[in-house]
Amino acid sequence: DGGITQSPKYLFRKEGQNVTLSCEQNLNHDAMYWYRQDPGQGLRLIYYSQIVNDFQKGDIAEGYSVSREKKESFPLTVTSAQKNPTAFYLCASSLDTLGAGELFFGEGSRLTVL
Amino acid sequence: QKEVEQDPGPLSVPEGAIVSLNCTYSNSAFQYFMWYRQYSRKGPELLMYTYSSGNKEDGRFTAQVDKSSKYISLFIRDSQPSDSATYLCAMSRYNTNAGKSTFGDGTTLTVKP
Repeated sequence: DGGITQSPKYLFRKEGQNVTLSCEQNLNHDAMYWYRQDPGQGLRLIYYSQIVNDFQKGDIAEGYSVSREKKESFPLTVTSAQKNPTAFYLCASSLDTLGAGELFFGEGSRLTVL
Repeated sequence: QKEVEQDPGPLSVPEGAIVSLNCTYSNSAFQYFMWYRQYSRKGPELLMYTYSSGNKEDGRFTAQVDKSSKYISLFIRDSQPSDSATYLCAMSRYNTNAGKSTFGDGTTLTVKP
């Protein structure tokens, strides 16, 4: 079945550590996105990529980094510079930049900083 | 002021009730309007997608857009316990870059049997 796989589902980190969240899709989508979701809040865009080896900052990119070396993969690193990293992180993809407006989401990764 | 304001909820209704979920927005350039459903600890899934003003129906769900009032609604008829979830409205200017849509904060709905 096609879809988006995020891992790990739950992650605990000590302050000062970097962590990397994995996102893999087998939908052959061009565009991929990372969002952060805090309780009672909507989705805030961290980074997005429309094509391999290219990505753009979203609204809240500070303290995060990404790479897009393969079409299928778009990992997110939460660095120690991110002041409040505890959150639910969602990865999404869409068919292409000129296509319909549907986003396909993974099941999310919940990061807790101890 | 946020570009998209969503009725905060939470909302609790008995099974079979008609539910109305609402969002207002300030950017008149928005043309594409979406509703996503998000079950607890899961990613959102697209429920309805509409363009410009008007109504769109899909089974028990009806999406309504009033661009003159900058107001969108999602109606759920004959609500079921399986409809219990958080509903997110989203909107965008273009039919591209779906991921750059602006999202509301979500309304959590509980349908009691």
